[in-house]
Amino acid sequence: NAGVMQNPRHLVRRRGQEARLRCSPMKGHSHVYWYRQLPEEGLKFMVYLQKENIIDESGMPKERFSAEFPKEGPSILRIQQVVRGDSAAYFCASSLVGGGNQPQHFGDGTRLSIL
Amino acid sequence: AQSVAQPEDQVNVAEGNPLTVKCTYSVSGNPYLFWYVQYPNRGLQFLLKYITGDNLVKGSYGFEAEFNKSQTSFHLKKPSALVSDSALYFCAVSDRVDDYKLSFGAGTTVTVRA
Repeated sequence: NAGVMQNPRHLVRRRGQEARLRCSPMKGHSHVYWYRQLPEEGLKFMVYLQKENIIDESGMPKERFSAEFPKEGPSILRIQQVVRGDSAAYFCASSLVGGGNQPQHFGDGTRLSIL
Repeated sequence: AQSVAQPEDQVNVAEGNPLTVKCTYSVSGNPYLFWYVQYPNRGLQFLLKYITGDNLVKGSYGFEAEFNKSQTSFHLKKPSALVSDSALYFCAVSDRVDDYKLSFGAGTTVTVRA
């Protein structure tokens, strides 16, 4: 009964390095969402992807951030040239179908720390 | 723009007492509403949702929530709290256009004392 799998659980990077966060959705789910959680705050929507397509990336910073969900393999959230402000917990969620009437199932997150 | 307010940062109750976690929302049109629970260093676990129909929604672990359109509220309730209910609770809303885009409240920390 594998849920949404995210790795790594913890990631430490120095300023200027690249961070790659991976997410494998629940079996059978083809809709993936990424959220960011800053300390003491709720989750903020970043991007919604369906296999090989970005549906909505309106919550993602225009520079340095990118996301993909290839036909094979996990979804990747990529942050280039990381800065201190990128330190946060990044959560991936998946759903069986798109749309708000289906609950999104969340992974345990990747906690990114920037030195 | 849609938003969620959870007016209480913390709720403390004794085990066996009723538990209520408050949530109000703002959205264009009719909402989709959700409650999630988060344990330390874990992801969010889905508790329940309101889509349409009965205003009282029953969910996992004995939780329920009541949708009140006139007050734009969706309070989470449990008749008899357990110590194991101690966690961080998030209310979330989406509208029916970009219905995949959840907006979360800042969360309410629930502590149930034995």
